[in-house]
Amino acid sequence: AQKITQTQPGMFVQEKEAVTLDCTYDTSDPSYGLFWYKQPSSGEMIFLIYQGSYDQQNATEGRYSLNFQKARKSANLVISASQLGDSAMYFCAMREIIITNTGNQFYFGTGTSLTVIP
Amino acid sequence: DSGVTQTPKHLITATGQRVTLRCSPRSGDLSVYWYQQSLDQGLQFLIHYYNGEERAKGNILERFSAQQFPDLHSELNLSSLELGDSALYFCASSVGFSGESYEQYFGPGTRLTVT
Repeated sequence: AQKITQTQPGMFVQEKEAVTLDCTYDTSDPSYGLFWYKQPSSGEMIFLIYQGSYDQQNATEGRYSLNFQKARKSANLVISASQLGDSAMYFCAMREIIITNTGNQFYFGTGTSLTVIP
Repeated sequence: DSGVTQTPKHLITATGQRVTLRCSPRSGDLSVYWYQQSLDQGLQFLIHYYNGEERAKGNILERFSAQQFPDLHSELNLSSLELGDSALYFCASSVGFSGESYEQYFGPGTRLTVT
């Protein structure tokens, strides 16, 4: 089974509107972390937001928020007030801590290409 | 600029050859991670080093190896290269590795083309 699933290969949003990018994950570990990254056409990977499995509140970072539904194993990214510069690939990722707590294993989804329309 | 440097930026080589990719983490970061991003496999975690020691392995082929040196820079060695090894190779660093949230800082990547 896929550890991280992003079911939206491509999304379009009107400038200044909000958009939700979907992410579901699969793990049996009680402790894990969920990340979202942005990859513009220039290729660099930019960290956006983090949610820990024990965090009670949804993470927020400026215009980014993470809608964390633990029971459903989903960690959707919400971008509010979209800007043209938000056009990029967005990756959801999960960190599992190796059982001996000596290292981390990361899994990435296949990404969602977001296009912001003026 | 994330503070993570990777060299070279581009690399073109032939099948069967061996190459070394280099990564310098951000100042103060002890963890280094290597990733491979290809069109058909997406972004794959390869290996994690912490303070010179290997801590976790992902989908890393036996033809690939890595190490982290005492000055914390890391090298990824790819040998007996095949066409399918053509990809963007990222290095990322972070302060630590366990428990609390932390941010991974990605380098600009090395674009490897095997012909």
